[in-house]
Amino acid sequence: ETGVTQSPTHLIKTRGQQVTLRCSSQSGHNTVSWYQQALGQGPQFIFQYYREEENGRGNFPPRFSGLQFPNYSSELNVNALELDDSALYLCASSLEAQGYSYEQYFGPGTRLTVT
Amino acid sequence: QKEVEQNSGPLSVPEGAIASLNCTYSDRGSQSFFWYRQYSGKSPELIMFIYSNGDKEDGRFTAQLNKASQYVSLLIRDSQPSDSATYLCAVNPDQGGKLIFGQGTELSVKP
Repeated sequence: ETGVTQSPTHLIKTRGQQVTLRCSSQSGHNTVSWYQQALGQGPQFIFQYYREEENGRGNFPPRFSGLQFPNYSSELNVNALELDDSALYLCASSLEAQGYSYEQYFGPGTRLTVT
Repeated sequence: QKEVEQNSGPLSVPEGAIASLNCTYSDRGSQSFFWYRQYSGKSPELIMFIYSNGDKEDGRFTAQLNKASQYVSLLIRDSQPSDSATYLCAVNPDQGGKLIFGQGTELSVKP
């Protein structure tokens, strides 16, 4: 069984630039959720994708957008980067989008630094 | 009031002791609850989940849920130095897409 993978591991960008982060879900999982974790804080929900559709969104501006592909992999895009976007970006996959069987398994994360 | 609250710690316990980690949540309709362990510089790792009132045991870990008090806890028996990490409590408030996390409790197990 293949776990959740993310790329790249680390990324340094300049304020105003755009970035794309990638995630491959665990084998057999059809749902991907993205979280932002600032230093010393718990992860904050950005959005979730289920069967290629956005299935819930947290309190993040529209410059955070995403995609899910037919193989259930996903991308997180952030436009017009701000210094406060510097964080660990986590992708989590789960077997289904709703219901009690909702255990989410995280990938290793992408550390984004905006200068 | 924060939606999910945890004491940030650090919580320090001697090796072999029981570590008790606590979490309260504000949404009374929440149905599922999760504990993640996060080592420094790593991503969260799911260690326990609980859906029903009462206790759920898995090895050295016991999750306890009291929906009436909106309280969930994690007990770690026979604590080991390798258990030193930040423990994150997460709540699924509506069986929908998101998990709401607390800020985490840092646990330090001293040899």
